[in-house]
This record gives sequence, C-alpha cells and structure tokens, in this order.
Amino acid sequence: DAKTTQPPSMDCAEGRAANLPCNHSTISGNEYVYWYRQIHSQGPQYIIHGLKNNETNEMASLIITEDRKSSTLILPHATLRDTAVYYCIVLITGGGNKLTFGTGTQLKVEL
Amino acid sequence: NAGVTQTPKFQVLKTGQSMTLQCAQDMNHNSMYWYRQDPGMGLRLIYYSASEGTTDKGEVPNGYNVSRLNKREFSLRLESAAPSQTSVYFCASSAPGTGFAFFGQGTRLTVV
Repeated sequence: DAKTTQPPSMDCAEGRAANLPCNHSTISGNEYVYWYRQIHSQGPQYIIHGLKNNETNEMASLIITEDRKSSTLILPHATLRDTAVYYCIVLITGGGNKLTFGTGTQLKVEL
Repeated sequence: NAGVTQTPKFQVLKTGQSMTLQCAQDMNHNSMYWYRQDPGMGLRLIYYSASEGTTDKGEVPNGYNVSRLNKREFSLRLESAAPSQTSVYFCASSAPGTGFAFFGQGTRLTVV
C-alpha cells in the first residue's frame, strides 16, 4: 500500500472550514483514499473515502487531485468537537486489505 | 447493535504474566485487526485476519499471538508480558474488501 504524508498539526477557528491535506504520490490506480479521525484516545472513526471523484457526506468532503497524488479532507464548519487526530490512509480494496495508520494530523479547533 | 466489543477495558499485569485480550464483532465482517497505540503515537498494526481461519503479521507482531476463533472473535495473547507492551490496544473489523472499519473502545494495559 502507498505511504501517505500529512502535516503533524493544524489549527482552525471554530466555524471556519478546516482543510487537511494528504500527499500520496505513490498511489496506484486501484488504491482508495480513506480518512479516519480519533478523538482523544477513543477508537478511530471512519469519515469518508474515495477513488478519484470528489466525495461528500454528512461529516466532510474529500477532494482528490486529478493525478490522485494528493487529497484534501474538508470539514466545512469546524466545531470544538472536531478537535482530533485525522488519519489519511490509502488502501487496495478487495481481498485481504491491511489497514495501516500513519501518524496523522492533530487538528485543534479553537474559539 | 454492539459493533466491536473488547474485554477487558483495563488491565494491570506483572512482568512475565500472560493474558488474552478478547474481541468480538456482530457485523458479520470478514476482516479483523489488532492495533496498539503508545502515548502520543499513531496506531500500529500487530496482527490482522482477512477471514476466518487466516491470520497475518502486521508491523509489530513480536511478543504477541492471535487466534481467529470463528468469524466473530479474534483474540490477542501476550505470553510473557513486558513493560514495553504497556499500551492501549484496539480491535477493529471491516466489511469484506473495504477499508471501512469499526473499532472497539480499547483496552488499556499496563505492565509493571
């Protein structure tokens, strides 16, 4: 599976959009991009995933560049409860998928 | 719907003791995982099981063994606990062929 690179930390003002970047320059054509978050020592929580098209759900939007070498997770109106570590993962799906996490981005949402 | 259930939630062991961490899921998932998370660090994969009857090593398997007892249950065993195994352990399961995983609430293990 391709490796990912994320900034170690980011800050965001409450109510503003939080844009979390992820580089995955070695991604292959059949690898999906998944995003998870972990709020203060709880188990990680799935947020969203995509292959090459932009995706949106009730939690966030995922923008994947045309060359698929990077992506951005967007939390449109960040709240204090969005303070968490956010993990970007690329994964071949189908068969024995091995879900491995990097170090993620610590997002701090402040008043 | 319980999701992924881990037992126990907390455990203190003495060096050299053994114990088994239990994990069960009720979502009929094929894949199951065990992770450890040390303070201030990301999750590291210990073992995973792509399906019932199969297990494979992850990033940090040394000092651990696993058993995929059936489709629901995936246990992690520490044969001779060491202080370096003090950590929070998470179990997870995912639907077939996806990375859409559900996690348990974690087991906080301290080895003294």
